[in-house]
Amino acid sequence: GAGVSQSPSNKVTEKGKDVELRCDPISGHTALYWYRQSLGQGLEFLIYFQGNSAPDKSGLPSDRFSAERTGGSVSTLTIQRTQQEDSAVYLCASSFSVTSGRGGSYEQYFGPGTRLTVT
Amino acid sequence: RKEVEQDPGPFNVPEGATVAFNCTYSNSASQSFFWYRQDCRKEPKLLMSVYSSGNEDGRFTAQLNRASQYISLLIRDSKLSDSATYLCVVNMRTGGFKTIFGAGTRLFVKA
Repeated sequence: GAGVSQSPSNKVTEKGKDVELRCDPISGHTALYWYRQSLGQGLEFLIYFQGNSAPDKSGLPSDRFSAERTGGSVSTLTIQRTQQEDSAVYLCASSFSVTSGRGGSYEQYFGPGTRLTVT
Repeated sequence: RKEVEQDPGPFNVPEGATVAFNCTYSNSASQSFFWYRQDCRKEPKLLMSVYSSGNEDGRFTAQLNRASQYISLLIRDSKLSDSATYLCVVNMRTGGFKTIFGAGTRLFVKA
C-alpha cells in the first residue's frame, strides 16, 4: 500500500516568512510523529499525535512551531517567522497505536521528508 | 547523560565481516526497541524490532538486555549495501508516550 507522503519535498523560504509542511500518513495508522534532522545530526522529536488525544508538544523548540492533525489523518507542521536555524529536513512518521491490538505496534514508518532551507 | 547512546563510529569493515553495534538506554521504563537504517540523505527505514527473547532476520540478529539496559545489532557476512547509519530507537511510557532515537552508528563496508 501507499507509504507516508510529505509535501513539498523541498522548500526554500526567506527569513521571517511562515511555512507549512504537510504529512499524509499510512492509511489506518492512528499515531503520527514529526521530527527534525539537521545536516549530519540525529533525529530530534518535535510532536506526536495519537488518535483524537491532545498532541504531545513537548519537543517543539519554540512557540513559532505548531502542528495540527485534521480528521485524524493529514497533519500540517507550521513554522512562523522562520529563522536560519530552522533549516533542516523535517520528517514525518506514522504507526499503529499500541492499543490497536495489532502486532508491530509503534513501528514507525517514515515519509521522504521536506528539506527546508531558510535564506 | 543522553537517554539513548550509541557509538558514532565509523565502523570500517571488509565485505564478509561480522560487525556488532550496541545501544544503551537510561530509562528503565523503556518498553519497545527498534533498529533503523538510514542511508545518506534518505529517511530512516525500519530494519527490525527487538524482542526480549532476541530475534533474527537473515544476516541480522537483535538482542535486548533489560538488566543492563542495552540492545545490540549483529550483522553477519557484511555486504557493501549494508553501508549506512544504524539508529537505535527506544519507546517509553513515562506519563505520556516518548520515542527517542539514538544519534546513529555509521558503518562502511569495503570491498
